[in-house]
Amino acid sequence: GESVGLHLPTLSVQEGDNSIINCAYSNSASDYFIWYKQESGKGPQFIIDIRSNMDKRQGQRVTVLLNKTVKHLSLQIAATQPGDSAVYFCAENSGGSNYKLTFGKGTLLTVNP
Amino acid sequence: EAQVTQNPRYLITVTGKKLTVTCSQNMNHEYMSWYRQDPGLGLRQIYYSMNVEVTDKGDVPEGYKVSRKEKRNFPLILESPSPNQTSLYFCASSWTGGNEKLFFGSGTQLSVL
Repeated sequence: GESVGLHLPTLSVQEGDNSIINCAYSNSASDYFIWYKQESGKGPQFIIDIRSNMDKRQGQRVTVLLNKTVKHLSLQIAATQPGDSAVYFCAENSGGSNYKLTFGKGTLLTVNP
Repeated sequence: EAQVTQNPRYLITVTGKKLTVTCSQNMNHEYMSWYRQDPGLGLRQIYYSMNVEVTDKGDVPEGYKVSRKEKRNFPLILESPSPNQTSLYFCASSWTGGNEKLFFGSGTQLSVL
């Protein structure tokens, strides 16, 4: 999962396996959460989002789970493919007038063929 | 195609030489923001704009300026660049900020010598 520090957390999986990327968020008042994928040399791309009135949301091959009790967010990727190899960021909107998304440090997912 | 366009993609400059990184979006978004991305520090917000002529500081605004004279453009200005501003910069936009996804540009890699 994501953590503070200079070293990016990494996850290595085999093609076809399911991947789970974890994220701990900091602000219990946050009411919106989002996952981004960033491939090398590109900008972050939206994957899926979830609001705090939900605990699960599914997209195409991806599921986001939100546990507000322990301030934990996870991204599940089903049948992981080599094209899923990237850095994955979670972000939270902690409210306020800025409506700023605060990003985690990211997790590097490597999919082995 | 809906997109956020940044220019240039790569820029090498010297300390003290003023530069501007342009950002344009074609989605009629009201909210725009600049982030910098550094290893181990993730994405940090520099400035944001809720609408035309409305801008405000993010987490790391020192050494940067922005302007929002029209809805589609949000240039980032470095009046006197320094080596600690060497970074990967991303412009992003959304309809209103708040609880919704940000659309990111492809990034500008800046090196200040």
